[in-house]
Amino acid sequence: RKEVEQDPGPFNVPEGATVAFNCTYSNSASQSFFWYRQDCRKEPKLLMSVYSSGNEDGRFTAQLNRASQYISLLIRDSKLSDSATYLCVVNINTGGFKTIFGAGTRLFVKA
Amino acid sequence: IAGITQAPTSQILAAGRRMTLRCTQDMRHNAMYWYRQDLGLGLRLIHYSNTAGTTGKGEVPDGYSVSRANTDDFPLTLASAVPSQTSVYFCASSDKGGTGELFFGEGSRLTVL
Repeated sequence: RKEVEQDPGPFNVPEGATVAFNCTYSNSASQSFFWYRQDCRKEPKLLMSVYSSGNEDGRFTAQLNRASQYISLLIRDSKLSDSATYLCVVNINTGGFKTIFGAGTRLFVKA
Repeated sequence: IAGITQAPTSQILAAGRRMTLRCTQDMRHNAMYWYRQDLGLGLRLIHYSNTAGTTGKGEVPDGYSVSRANTDDFPLTLASAVPSQTSVYFCASSDKGGTGELFFGEGSRLTVL
């Protein structure tokens, strides 16, 4: 089993739709969580950190469920520019920290 | 501010050749990393350095070596390239060790024939 698992998609949604991605992690020593965005043939960039209480940044909402070991990303009112791959990232405390990337979920927003 | 600069952006290489991918950052971050990204797999850590003068092995270190002579530079060397090393390589840095945001370079696309 992969340490961080994501549905690869692709998710094809119309503009204005709401779309949600989930990511599950297997290591209970996971301590911090992030969503990164990666455009085609570009480098990953931090979209948002994920806090235990949940957090929102404009149209984006991230949630953490430690009991079930998953994090989610909700995108409201999708824009064409949201088309990208969304990477779930987990930092695990193994003495030092280990950063594990999910393989990513592809999103296509269409007009 | 340049952030992280990688070179070359793309390279085709014959198997058996030696290759060094360069990575330079101007953010004075202590921690630097090399990842490879392959289709269907997440970014996988090759080597890392928590501070100048120290390096460590990541998840897939075999066939690669790194050095960290100073804070800014973190080159990755393939001593004798093999086709399975065909990948996109990303260098990254962080100012908070393994706990904070990772800043990535634009990537180096390597093809080994």
